[in-house]
Amino acid sequence: KQEVTQIPAALSVPEGENLVLNCSFTDSAIYNLQWFRQDPGKGLTSLLLIQSSQREQTSGRLNASLDKSSGRSTLYIAASQPGDSATYLCAVRPTSGTYKYIFGTGTRLKVLA
Amino acid sequence: GAGVSQSPSNKVTEKGKDVELRCDPISGHTALYWYRQSLGQGLEFLIYFQGNSAPDKSGLPSDRFSAERTGGSVSTLTIQRTQQEDSAVYLCASSRLMGNEKLFFGSGTQLSVL
Repeated sequence: KQEVTQIPAALSVPEGENLVLNCSFTDSAIYNLQWFRQDPGKGLTSLLLIQSSQREQTSGRLNASLDKSSGRSTLYIAASQPGDSATYLCAVRPTSGTYKYIFGTGTRLKVLA
Repeated sequence: GAGVSQSPSNKVTEKGKDVELRCDPISGHTALYWYRQSLGQGLEFLIYFQGNSAPDKSGLPSDRFSAERTGGSVSTLTIQRTQQEDSAVYLCASSRLMGNEKLFFGSGTQLSVL
């Protein structure tokens, strides 16, 4: 059974710092992985999608990497800003004949001004 | 529409009552997903639709939960005889195609069962 873990559960950093969020999954048989951002009381916004054949994706100050064989993905945020404060979730889509995404429990990020 | 729309945004009901939650996906999106998020918890998969059919209903917690999608567009999640443990945020997402497509989420319905 695929399980997705995100560590740490919460993180506080000063503004301007570069940071890395971690996502681990137990079964490497995935089709793709997505990183999402969730603001309080809101739905999720997809940030980056990495296909299983890709190693990384970049969007602005965000860079997501995927090491499928080791079951890990990282989300790198450069030059963090207070507006980056949110909960970040990763989700994997298994290859096992279902199209559902399995989510981690998220990392709650606070960037201090 | 411009985004995924869910209604109502908040629903308070009494234990034992039935509720219907609605999701309007982005126009033209084939895939539609329902998830549930309890306080401080991750997202729990409920069901997904490809067009009007539901190939995977494995996440529905009990037979009190059902969902349908009509015309390949609007979906309704129905919870019968609500229980307090049903209290959660119910999130809907859609994507253009099944597969390597980003998911677009609505803002959710906060359900409170008293």
